Amino acid sequence: DSGVTQTPKHLITATGQRVTLRCSPRSGDLSVYWYQQSLDQGLQFLIQYYNGEERAKGNILERFSAQQFPDLHSELNLSSLELGDSALYFCASSDDRYTEAFFGQGTRLTVV
Amino acid sequence: AQSVTQLDSQVPVFEEAPVELRCNYSSSVSVYLFWYVQYPNQGLQLLLKYLSGSTLVKGINGFEAEFNKSQTSFHLRKPSVHISDTAEYFCAVSDQRNTDKLIFGTGTRLQVFP
Repeated sequence: DSGVTQTPKHLITATGQRVTLRCSPRSGDLSVYWYQQSLDQGLQFLIQYYNGEERAKGNILERFSAQQFPDLHSELNLSSLELGDSALYFCASSDDRYTEAFFGQGTRLTVV
Repeated sequence: AQSVTQLDSQVPVFEEAPVELRCNYSSSVSVYLFWYVQYPNQGLQLLLKYLSGSTLVKGINGFEAEFNKSQTSFHLRKPSVHISDTAEYFCAVSDQRNTDKLIFGTGTRLQVFP
């Protein structure tokens, strides 16, 4: 158990809809990262938050957004969903030294 | 910017045989290097990491990796694999001065046969 909790584990939704994925980092970790894993794109970095502030941005679509709350949990919002958004979405957290990222079990999103 | 190349998308091997999973990186600055493993239907788990010091790094489950700066490589090795090592293995790199994100390779699927 990495200490990073993601909910829900599975999500099935229709095209055009909006979903929210939730992540609780390890106790004490201020950084939260979001990754998307798909068969054709591999593991892609989406975005990082540090103590509530956006820190780094990767290949995140404009239809996607994220935030980190004062209690350090994070949410990834995906809107106007397309079939191609079907993927595993991972959250990871790390401490201030950034020398290791701990991953959650992922949320499998299926868009039908 | 950093990038990671995992040269083999799949590596089939028989149980108890040695294995090497190759990883090369590209970076103009000093880096930290990582190997993660992903078992079926699970998240990523850290196998080992190179931050500084000895270039030979030992990790969990009998894996080790060697950092070669001149060849910009960080190959993963195990002298004798088990069926339970069947998984996807990811090499990753981060910039030592700006460790905001890990850049992952495309992964190598290790398939161990009895």
